[in-house]
Amino acid sequence: NAGVTQTPKFQVLKTGQSMTLQCAQDMNHEYMSWYRQDPGMGLRLIHYSVGAGITDQGEVPNGYNVSRSTTEDFPLRLLSAAPSQTSVYFCASSYRYRGNSGNTIYFGEGSWLTVV
Amino acid sequence: GENVEQHPSTLSVQEGDSAVIKCTYSDSASNYFPWYKQELGKGPQLIIDIRSNVGEKKDQRIAVTLNKTAKHFSLHITETQPEDSAVYFCAASDGNNRLAFGKGNQVVVIP
Repeated sequence: NAGVTQTPKFQVLKTGQSMTLQCAQDMNHEYMSWYRQDPGMGLRLIHYSVGAGITDQGEVPNGYNVSRSTTEDFPLRLLSAAPSQTSVYFCASSYRYRGNSGNTIYFGEGSWLTVV
Repeated sequence: GENVEQHPSTLSVQEGDSAVIKCTYSDSASNYFPWYKQELGKGPQLIIDIRSNVGEKKDQRIAVTLNKTAKHFSLHITETQPEDSAVYFCAASDGNNRLAFGKGNQVVVIP
């Protein structure tokens, strides 16, 4: 069972470079999201999507773009990397909320990004 | 928006003892409260969750309690083992798939 797959696992970028973090899930989940994790800050929502063609901003969206062309994939783009974007990034997915069930959110293994 | 707070930030327990982590939330509309365990270098993994129509839920050595009036919920781990050492996150949601996470608790089980 692949679940939620993120690539790359580790990446070092120079300030101003762009890159894309890839995320794919094979559970046919409608909902996908990206979080960043920083020491002492917990997990903060960057962007999310409730289905193909629909995306929205989370708590900390500045400096990041997303798109959702298929149900399976939800890439996160850094347009011009800054040292403040050094973090661990997690992609997550779940079925879309239906009443009082189906809210279990599954996380990928994380992508460690350093911007120098 | 929802604000979730976790206490304590670090918890050390002797192997075999119990560990309790408490969380408070601010939004009375929240109705789903999951707990995640994160091991070093891994993504968070759901270990137990509770919905607002239930006051307590148990799964082997893990239990979660919810007090909606006081807006707090707790994770209880009994008979702790070294493999319970990890960071634990609580979260809350009003059912729209968007989870608000606490900042996490480092639990250290001392053999």
